[in-house]
Amino acid sequence: DVKVTQSSRYLVKRTGEKVFLECVQDMDHENMFWYRQDPGLGLRLIYFSYDVKMKEKGDIPEGYSVSREKKERFSLILESASTNQTSMYLCASRTQGANYGYTFGSGTRLTVV
Amino acid sequence: KNEVEQSPQNLTAQEGEFITINCSYSVGISALHWLQQHPGGGIVSLFMLSSGKKKHGRLIATINIQEKHSSLHITASHPRDSAVYICAGGVNNNNDMRFGAGTRLTVKP
Repeated sequence: DVKVTQSSRYLVKRTGEKVFLECVQDMDHENMFWYRQDPGLGLRLIYFSYDVKMKEKGDIPEGYSVSREKKERFSLILESASTNQTSMYLCASRTQGANYGYTFGSGTRLTVV
Repeated sequence: KNEVEQSPQNLTAQEGEFITINCSYSVGISALHWLQQHPGGGIVSLFMLSSGKKKHGRLIATINIQEKHSSLHITASHPRDSAVYICAGGVNNNNDMRFGAGTRLTVKP
């Protein structure tokens, strides 16, 4: 089975801290995604990547950056965490092609205090 | 108006009941996804379909392309089916998704 592993289930950080959320997939998928999920808003795309060192902005990239130095790892970075970034963060991956579905990680619930 | 709308937002059922969750979309899609999210946050992909109907155990997903509508049915519901069910439309050749806000299902014993 494809696995997408997010390094932390729960994180508490202070305002202004730099935060790294890590995501690793083990099936050689080209595409990787970072979403945030908030009550009533559903999942929203922050950034995605189609290949190593490639990144594209999603719908809500402000306040975030990403890094994809290796195919299996996609990191989300909060340069200076703020309380409005308190949320559930979900990573996903898929292989190229219209007929392939997505595999999600178990999520990281981040609280910024 | 959201590109993907789900109804109902919340649904409570008794064990054994037949359940239907509906999804309408306004955007052109390559595929329609049904996802399940249990408390704790992880999301599991249940179905991806672009036409007709798919079945897996007690779960059935249907899609009507002309009406831009999909339904997820659960037969003989069980408390372990309690979760948030999310409909999503795959766009841009399925390289991106547009998500509904989710339906929170609670099945009582």
